[in-house]
Amino acid sequence: DTGVSQDPRHKITKRGQNVTFRCDPISEHNRLYWYRQTLGQGPEFLTYFQNEAQLEKSRLLSDRFSAERPKGSFSTLEIQRTEQGDSAMYLCASSTGTSGPSYNEQFFGPGTRLTVL
Amino acid sequence: QKEVEQDPGPLSVPEGAIVSLNCTYSNSAFQYFMWYRQYSRKGPELLMYTYSSGNKEDGRFTAQVDKSSKYISLFIRDSQPSDSATYLCAMNRYNFNKFYFGSGTKLNVKP
Repeated sequence: DTGVSQDPRHKITKRGQNVTFRCDPISEHNRLYWYRQTLGQGPEFLTYFQNEAQLEKSRLLSDRFSAERPKGSFSTLEIQRTEQGDSAMYLCASSTGTSGPSYNEQFFGPGTRLTVL
Repeated sequence: QKEVEQDPGPLSVPEGAIVSLNCTYSNSAFQYFMWYRQYSRKGPELLMYTYSSGNKEDGRFTAQVDKSSKYISLFIRDSQPSDSATYLCAMNRYNFNKFYFGSGTKLNVKP
């Protein structure tokens, strides 16, 4: 399977703990996105990488959140000092190209469902 | 006001019906419009992509964009129970990296 993969699929943690999620994009895709989705809502943009450079961050991404994409391959999203409001599905997506259809066609992973108790 | 508005449904139709799903948006700079299907507890899957105004057809699916009204639609012909899912519209501006999603419309196709 050459799709986007995410690990873990589910994470239950206690308030105040740190958690880290991993995303492996489609191998030739240079663009990688992180989104957060809560129940009954669409995905909300968190951050964007082009290769290893983090080029855009949403105001939703508080200082407790950090994302990396070393060597432009897989990416990690870390949440420090988790709060109950962080409970959500965290989605990763990747795409390729510089403009037009391939640029805009994002392929999503299955998501990591985070529950903060 | 949200950038993209979408009726959450749920929308319940009998098998074989034509389904119409819609989104409105406020930013006239949006040029790229996408429709995703999301099954419960899964990631979204891209169904259709259109650029600017006009229609695009792919099998049972037709995407329509009316930029003058800031209104996009997805039509599903001969709907099947397997089409039961949440449908998300998404859009963005030229050369921008931030994509804006609607909240999704839940569709139930009854056998």
